[in-house]
Amino acid sequence: ETGVTQTPRHLVMGMTNKKSLKCEQHLGHNAMYWYKQSAKKPLELMFVYNFKEQTENNSVPSRFSPECPNSSHLFLHLHTLQPEDSALYLCASSQEVGGANVLTFGAGSRLTVL
Amino acid sequence: GQNIDQPTEMTATEGAIVQINCTYQTSGFNGLFWYQQHAGEAPTFLSYNVLDGLEEKGRFSSFLSRSKGYSYLLLKELQMKDSASYLCAPGDSNYQLIWGAGTKLIIKP
Repeated sequence: ETGVTQTPRHLVMGMTNKKSLKCEQHLGHNAMYWYKQSAKKPLELMFVYNFKEQTENNSVPSRFSPECPNSSHLFLHLHTLQPEDSALYLCASSQEVGGANVLTFGAGSRLTVL
Repeated sequence: GQNIDQPTEMTATEGAIVQINCTYQTSGFNGLFWYQQHAGEAPTFLSYNVLDGLEEKGRFSSFLSRSKGYSYLLLKELQMKDSASYLCAPGDSNYQLIWGAGTKLIIKP
């Protein structure tokens, strides 16, 4: 356990479904992130929240909708997804350690869109 | 543009030493991170370099040359559990990490 918990670990959904991914961190960090990880591709930053405020939206399609109700919880709402959205979605939180902004990742939610 | 280049896959023998290279081009530079990711698990922080030189942490060391846009991760006394992907990630001028696709390291007995 890293201190960042993601649920569900696996999700299969159709293109017309609505589902949500949940992330919770127990580390007292103030920044939280959503990343997309596709096979053999670099991690893609999707969203960043600092103190519950969204500070980064990396040109993510509107079918992905983040929500950060407090600094410990982060959601990713999914609607009308496409098969190419199938990937591992990683949540992370961060704090500064010795001048470095170190990310702590959750184990990820494996999403399959049929 | 921003670009990270690291080998896709490497193979090494248990007990040996392996060096994983990473070259990068970023808009500005704010340190370079290495993360380890076992299959099906979360990436975990290994090292951070912001100044040129070698940072040693047990069996793992990381080197940085800012002028050359180059870093390497050195793993000594390899163990089977070191089989994983190793991700190189420099920070750009906005402190955002730019990620490489990772190097899959396979350790053979």
